[in-house]
Amino acid sequence: NAGVTQTPKFRILKIGQSMTLQCAQDMNHNYMYWYRQDPGMGLKLIYYSVGAGITDKGEVPNGYNVSRSTTEDFPLRLELAAPSQTSVYFCASSYPLGSGGAPGELFFGEGSRLTVL
Amino acid sequence: AQTVTQSQPEMSVQEAETVTLSCTYDTSESDYYLFWYKQPPSRQMILVIRQEAYKQQNATENRFSVNFQKAAKSFSLKISDSQLGDAAMYFCAYRRLDMRFGAGTRLTVKP
Repeated sequence: NAGVTQTPKFRILKIGQSMTLQCAQDMNHNYMYWYRQDPGMGLKLIYYSVGAGITDKGEVPNGYNVSRSTTEDFPLRLELAAPSQTSVYFCASSYPLGSGGAPGELFFGEGSRLTVL
Repeated sequence: AQTVTQSQPEMSVQEAETVTLSCTYDTSESDYYLFWYKQPPSRQMILVIRQEAYKQQNATENRFSVNFQKAAKSFSLKISDSQLGDAAMYFCAYRRLDMRFGAGTRLTVKP
């Protein structure tokens, strides 16, 4: 039961470097999300996608980019990493509201801890 | 934009006692979902309970129940017979198209 898989689990970046956080789900969910969680805080939505080729900004999109070329994958790109992007990143997926099992529930990956020095 | 507010950064409960965590939210929608998620130190996000806004009956899952007051936009979580394993961060969440989270309440369970 893979569910939502995130890679890498840990990464240290230098200021100004770029990287991509990978996210894949095998539940055939239409919706996918990226959140960040700063220490002691709640999850903030970065970007989300309602299907292949469709993405939209969340609460904190600056400094990030996403693409959704397939139903399964939703990579998050960090360009020109900054210390303010040090956080734990969560990918999640779900069915649209009103369809599928587990009504409304988001299924989360295990998180990726990113440190920018 | 929807906002979710958890006004209790930390709560403490004695083992076997009952504790209530508070949550309020702001929305102009009538159809939505509300959730409580638990996050232990492992960082895993675990669904505790969900409530569909169109349902008047409060959701219950074993020792966990909610008090959903739609007009007041309030959604509290009651944990009965608290156990040591209940210690965690608890997040209230609102879902319409996307899902928005509150800042969380850290629950400590004292033996």
